[in-house]
Amino acid sequence: EVQLVESGGGLVQPGGSLRLSCAASGFTFSDHFMDWVRQAPGKGLEWVGRIRDKVNSYITEYAASVKGRFTISRDDSENSLYLQMDSLKAEDTALYYCASIRGVHGYWGQGTLVTVSS
Amino acid sequence: QAVVTQEPSLTVSPGGTVTLTCGSNTGPVTSTHWPYWFQQRPGQAPRTLIYETGNKHSWTPARFSGSLLGGKAALTLSGAQPEDEADYYCLLSYGGPRVFGGGTKLTVL
Repeated sequence: EVQLVESGGGLVQPGGSLRLSCAASGFTFSDHFMDWVRQAPGKGLEWVGRIRDKVNSYITEYAASVKGRFTISRDDSENSLYLQMDSLKAEDTALYYCASIRGVHGYWGQGTLVTVSS
Repeated sequence: QAVVTQEPSLTVSPGGTVTLTCGSNTGPVTSTHWPYWFQQRPGQAPRTLIYETGNKHSWTPARFSGSLLGGKAALTLSGAQPEDEADYYCLLSYGGPRVFGGGTKLTVL
């Protein structure tokens, strides 16, 4: 059974940093591109960014709203995905999902909540 | 960044048929945008229904289908059930970056 479990969310002050993690199991993690998607309270889904696999040089891509502040990385030996979030703003408050959305892979985690507030 | 548009809300009768669409401000949506469709029920994580225009996952009910229609990606629900009441989102790729539509709130009434 495929599982994606996010962790690391919490309350952080504006300008602060937070690192989210996503533990993957039930599939060959190293073979798959991975995405981060967020959802502000009562709002729609927003694509945050993506990291490709080793064959594709671990290339990362980001939404304009987070580019330069957020960094996606992965550790294939640990089957883990990460999202380093710096210079956080109130508008980054959201439920953050880790997802594997490419081709026949269509899996989502349950999300971890990030609240940016003083 | 591209803007992806969806109908904010639609209503369908039980057993009826409805089509949700997904457009792009950059021009016609084509298969090279690799359209995806997701369903999100209240309080739940999204669930992938359709990938790469018209392909279904093993868990996708047969009553859902995806296609390209009039320069947009489309999700058609034939034979709506009460449990289909949910928010639906499309996702398009732009050569790397991806963009979600604003979502369609589907009411089955």
